Amino acid sequence: DVKVTQSSRYLVKRTGEKVFLECVQDMDHENMFWYRQDPGLGLRLIYFSYDVKMKEKGDIPEGYSVSREKKERFSLILESASTNQTSMYLCASRMGQLNTEAFFGQGTRLTVV
Amino acid sequence: EDKVVQSPLSLVVHEGDTVTLNCSYEVTNFRSLLWYKQEKKAPTFLFMLTSSGIEKKSGRLSSILDKKELFSILNITATQTGDSAVYLCAGFSGTYKYIFGTGTRLKVLA
Repeated sequence: DVKVTQSSRYLVKRTGEKVFLECVQDMDHENMFWYRQDPGLGLRLIYFSYDVKMKEKGDIPEGYSVSREKKERFSLILESASTNQTSMYLCASRMGQLNTEAFFGQGTRLTVV
Repeated sequence: EDKVVQSPLSLVVHEGDTVTLNCSYEVTNFRSLLWYKQEKKAPTFLFMLTSSGIEKKSGRLSSILDKKELFSILNITATQTGDSAVYLCAGFSGTYKYIFGTGTRLKVLA
């Protein structure tokens, strides 16, 4: 079974802190994604990565950056956390071919105080 | 702008009822339509549809896609309390993005 693992289930950080959310997948998937999920807004794409060292902005990249130095790991960075970044963050991965499904991690609920 | 709209937003039914969840989409370079089930954790994959009119089925769940009218439905027959969840619909575009709807929250009462 595909496993996508996010480093933390719950995080509480202070405003202005630099925050790292880590995601690791074990199926050699080319594509990886970071979404945030908020009530009434659904899943919104922050960044995605086609392959190692490649990244593309999603719909809401402001305030975030990403890093993909190894194929299995995709990190989301909040350079200076703010309260409006309090959310559920979901990582996903998929094979690079068309028409394959994405597999999700368990999510990280981040609270910025 | 790409968008996926799901209806209803929420639904409460009794065990044994049949439900139909709706998903309409406008997705650039549309490739496929996916359904996920989300309980209090990661969304889990249910179906992927690429061709019109071909029903995908898994147990009590089934789904179909209409590429002409740009919608899909997810049917659940003989609902059980374990079907209570948020059901997410996503369109996959040629730009390698999944565009998600806001979900339908289903609650099945015993």
